[in-house]
Amino acid sequence: QSALTQPASVSGSPGQSITISCTGTSRDVGGYNYVSWYQQHPGKAPKLMIFDVSNRPSGVSNRFSGSKSGNTASLTISGLQAEDEADYYCSSYTSSGTLVVFGGGTKLTVL
Amino acid sequence: QVQLQESGPGLVKPSETLSLACAVSGYSISSGYYWGWIRQHPGKGLEWIATIHHSGDTYYNPSHKSRVTISVDTSKNQFSLKLSSVTAADTAVYYCARWGGTTYGRKFDYWGQGTLVTVSS
Repeated sequence: QSALTQPASVSGSPGQSITISCTGTSRDVGGYNYVSWYQQHPGKAPKLMIFDVSNRPSGVSNRFSGSKSGNTASLTISGLQAEDEADYYCSSYTSSGTLVVFGGGTKLTVL
Repeated sequence: QVQLQESGPGLVKPSETLSLACAVSGYSISSGYYWGWIRQHPGKGLEWIATIHHSGDTYYNPSHKSRVTISVDTSKNQFSLKLSSVTAADTAVYYCARWGGTTYGRKFDYWGQGTLVTVSS
């Protein structure tokens, strides 16, 4: 069982927007603004998409955005494209002794 | 461009020690940042294992702490993972990655391509 809770799957049609939630506790997501999101295509390494809740690394499309409210962080992808179909993982710094915790991952299907 | 590359045996026998190395290019390990290992069981999510700073600071996932050793070799610009007494449950893709820490941000910004390690006799 993962420390952070994500929906197993989400889907959307090209051009639409989707949001993936990531729920933790006050010891991780709720306690720090250190939530990251990673995109992983099949057989590939994870790629950093969002860090510090809402910041995008250089080169990441502005269609990707992040936010947080209480113990829940969210990743929103607008203007869905076929290439966005992938697994998405949230991660957070934690004071619970493990330094980093990940969510179980969400499979995004672009219909 | 920072690049990380894992290396090590793809097959390890049960009860033996899994040893992996991560060669870093495009950045000196001694310049800062932390360096970590993350694994992914087949078809499953990501699991953080351990992280190290060139100064010697180490952090371990308590779930594996008794079996894990992470180390850094600045002369080779690489860091390593040892996981002892492996079982089939340790079969996974192992990734190495760069961690920003308090100075550069708590995020894994560069990842290796991953290496599949199978535990089987």
